[in-house]
Amino acid sequence: GEDVEQSLFLSVREGDSSVINCTYTDSSSTYLYWYKQEPGAGLQLLTYIFSNMDMKQDQRLTVLLNKKDKHLSLRIADTQTGDSAIYFCADHLPPGKLIFGQGTTLQVKP
Amino acid sequence: GAVVSQHPSRVICKSGTSVKIECRSLDFQATTMFWYRQFPKQSLMLMATSNEGSKATYEQGVEKDKFLINHASLTLSTLTVTSAHPEDSSFYICSASQPHSYEQYFGPGTRLTVT
Repeated sequence: GEDVEQSLFLSVREGDSSVINCTYTDSSSTYLYWYKQEPGAGLQLLTYIFSNMDMKQDQRLTVLLNKKDKHLSLRIADTQTGDSAIYFCADHLPPGKLIFGQGTTLQVKP
Repeated sequence: GAVVSQHPSRVICKSGTSVKIECRSLDFQATTMFWYRQFPKQSLMLMATSNEGSKATYEQGVEKDKFLINHASLTLSTLTVTSAHPEDSSFYICSASQPHSYEQYFGPGTRLTVT
C-alpha cells in the first residue's frame, strides 16, 4: 500500500542549513508536497514538485526528488528560529488523495 | 487567495452529544473537500473525501454513521461527529481543492475535546 516515511526530529543551529528527508512507496505519484505546521495550527503549503522534475528552488527552499529511489528532500538555507515547526511531506495520488508522512519536528537553536 | 476557514476552532462537548464542524472555502469554489484527523504528535489521516452534491467517500476503518459529512455547496462542507465519545477527541482539519488543481488548501483545524 501507499506509505510515506520521515525522520521524526532534526535539530540545527540558527544560520545553518536544514535537510529534511522523506521516502515514499507509490509509483503513481504525481506531485509531492512539503507542508509546515506550527503548534495548534493547520498546514501551510511550502512548496511542491511535479514527479517528472528532479529539483525545484524557491528562495530559501530547495526540493530534490530522486524518483528512482523514491526519495524526496527539503533543504532550508539559513535556517531561522521562525522555521521551527513540524514539516510534513505528502504524496499526491490520483485522483486527489494525499498520503502524509509522520512529520519531522525541526528545532532551531539560537 | 485560496483561504479555507473552519468553525469552531475549539469545541468541548459532553460524551453522547453531537458536534458539527464547518469548513468553508472563502474565495474559491471547492469541488472537492477532504477531512483529516490528527492525533497529538502524529500525522494526518484522511477520513473522507467529499464532492459537492454527492456522497462522501470514506477511508477504510472510518465509520460513516459516526462521522457524517455533507458538502451541500461549492464553498461549504460540514463534518458532524455523532454521539461523541472521549476517544473522538482529536484535531480535525479540512482541506479544499479547486477544479483541475493538484493543490489542497488547508483550514486551521478544529480541536475537539469530548469529556
